[in-house]
Amino acid sequence: EVQLVESGGGLVQPGGSLRLSCAASGFTFSNYAMSWIRQAPGKGLEWVSDISGSGSSTNYADSVKGRFTISRDNSKNTQYLQMNSLRAEDTAVYYCAKNENYYGSGNFDYWGQGTLVTVSS
Amino acid sequence: DIQMTQSPSSLSASVGDRVTITCRASQGINYFLAWFQQKPGKAPKSLIYAASRLQSGVPSRFSGSGSGTDFTLTISSLQPEDFATYYCQQYHSYPRTFGQGTKVEIK
Repeated sequence: EVQLVESGGGLVQPGGSLRLSCAASGFTFSNYAMSWIRQAPGKGLEWVSDISGSGSSTNYADSVKGRFTISRDNSKNTQYLQMNSLRAEDTAVYYCAKNENYYGSGNFDYWGQGTLVTVSS
Repeated sequence: DIQMTQSPSSLSASVGDRVTITCRASQGINYFLAWFQQKPGKAPKSLIYAASRLQSGVPSRFSGSGSGTDFTLTISSLQPEDFATYYCQQYHSYPRTFGQGTKVEIK
């Protein structure tokens, strides 16, 4: 059974940093691209970033480019999202999602339960 | 960026009704379209991928169709557990984009 468990969310001040983690199990982690998708309170879904199975290729939404960094450790079956220079508009539930293929060109077939990030003074 | 527009934004329906939600892309995306279901306080769940392929474990009352710019999600006979918000999403190009959602409520 595929399981994705996010952690690392919390309250942070504007301009601060936070690192999210997503621990994966139930599949061969290194064979699949992974993504982060967020949802602001009461709003729709926004894709944030994704990373290929090897970690050699990454993509970012313009809204986070230069501030967020996605990475993965295939030996630990874990992906990360390092979030710097956080803004109030980054407040959201952040979901970890598995892609159906290695390159990230497919569907988000499994999602974690999400972790809440609140940016506020 | 490719804009995804869903209609309607919300609808009221009864158990047993046939429900149709449409999704339009601002440019052609071939068949690179997915549908997700989200219930309050829960993570989205994959229903349909490649416009018409049913995700494993999803009931057959859900179906998807379309290609290019116009797509449809149909629930053939609405069940109590289907009341939720539904999102379409394109994975033809970056950035990946979602529709604004369609909330299906009980009439």
